[in-house]
Amino acid sequence: AQSVAQPEDQVNVAEGNPLTVKCTYSVSGNPYLFWYVQYPNRGLQFLLKYITGDNLVKGSYGFEAEFNKSQTSFHLKKPSALVSDSALYFCAVRVMDSNYQLIWGAGTKLIIKP
Amino acid sequence: DAGVIQSPRHEVTEMGQEVTLRCKPISGHNSLFWYRQTMMRGLELLIYFNNNVPIDDSGMPEDRFSAKMPNASFSTLKIQPSEPRDSAVYFCASSFPTSGFYNEQFFGPGTRLTVL
Repeated sequence: AQSVAQPEDQVNVAEGNPLTVKCTYSVSGNPYLFWYVQYPNRGLQFLLKYITGDNLVKGSYGFEAEFNKSQTSFHLKKPSALVSDSALYFCAVRVMDSNYQLIWGAGTKLIIKP
Repeated sequence: DAGVIQSPRHEVTEMGQEVTLRCKPISGHNSLFWYRQTMMRGLELLIYFNNNVPIDDSGMPEDRFSAKMPNASFSTLKIQPSEPRDSAVYFCASSFPTSGFYNEQFFGPGTRLTVL
């Protein structure tokens, strides 16, 4: 069965420190992976995606994610956290043979403390 | 572009009443999605339209829910009759034509529905 897991409900990071939000997946075949961010009282916003190619994907707001096939992970990273990065982050994986359906993680709340 | 537009932003209604949520996708996008978000169940896909045609409605919880897309620029999600367990945030999202196998979705701000 296909699945995506975000093992941490919440991540706390001090401003200026690097941050990592974890995501692991289980799919058959090549995965298409996505990160979205949700700010309070807002809809989800696309951050970045991995389809193929370079394992390090760069996205919006200085975020990047590293695809690791052997560990079936797609962790979201940023070298220096900002207080404004505080939000809910969702990882998602495309359902195989679908051009529209995603399996969504439960979300990780990221809190950046000044 | 103004992005995906949803109305109303907040809706409070009483059990048994009809509720209609509205969505205007981004111009040029041919795929439209309705999602429901709750603390307990997370983000759930309710229905997916492509070129105004419902392709997958397997996520619609029951017959009380219905969705329409009469044209490329408008969609509605209707709940009749509404129940307290329908209380959630409902998101509409749209996506542009796929030349590859998947393109990212653009979400509206959501409608927060409270059924008393």
